[in-house]
Amino acid sequence: GAVVSQHPSRVICKSGTSVKIECRSLDFQATTMFWYRQFPKQSLMLMATSNEGSKATYEQGVEKDKFLINHASLTLSTLTVTSAHPEDSSFYICSAAGTGLFEQYFGPGTRLTVT
Amino acid sequence: DQQVKQNSPSLSVQEGRISILNCDYTNSMFDYFLWYKKYPAEGPTFLISISSIKDKNEDGRFTVFLNKSAKHLSLHIVPSQPGDSAVYFCAANNQGGKLIFGQGTELSVKP
Repeated sequence: GAVVSQHPSRVICKSGTSVKIECRSLDFQATTMFWYRQFPKQSLMLMATSNEGSKATYEQGVEKDKFLINHASLTLSTLTVTSAHPEDSSFYICSAAGTGLFEQYFGPGTRLTVT
Repeated sequence: DQQVKQNSPSLSVQEGRISILNCDYTNSMFDYFLWYKKYPAEGPTFLISISSIKDKNEDGRFTVFLNKSAKHLSLHIVPSQPGDSAVYFCAANNQGGKLIFGQGTELSVKP
């Protein structure tokens, strides 16, 4: 299957600071990338969908000004958590899909801890 | 409103036996279903998928069955191996390309 990387794998930041998470598709061009978050023992919740070169589409209840998404190229999308608070602590996972969209390939995830 | 449900949070199976993981959905507009395997602190790994126009798809030890009238799908793993121990998520793809995940079932395969 296709390879998707995420960086960093773990990050600890202080409350009020911003954190950027990168998602890269290494061996294919990702027309669409998705960002999810997962709380312990729970399902993956879709946060937003981003298409290369256009604005991201956010799911209901997700603050677009807090979770900034940029999809500047077919191989890179970034999620910036702005003014992070402890309740933003979570496991963030990206996925990438080609033109077919039917199969998404997931990154290894980023564990964010806000102190 | 949980559109994709996995009602069994956990399942324990003996090595060599069959593992059957179940998933129910409510939205008849879903047109593609996928199963993912996930280890703690890692991203999900794609396992197998099925289109809504089919009722069965097989790939090695993994078979997915789809019953559209019952809005039910299942993943069969046979024979089960200890390395199969993980959390399994079913997901449904709507026509917009979004994946809706179930809550996951933790499979434990005992030697």
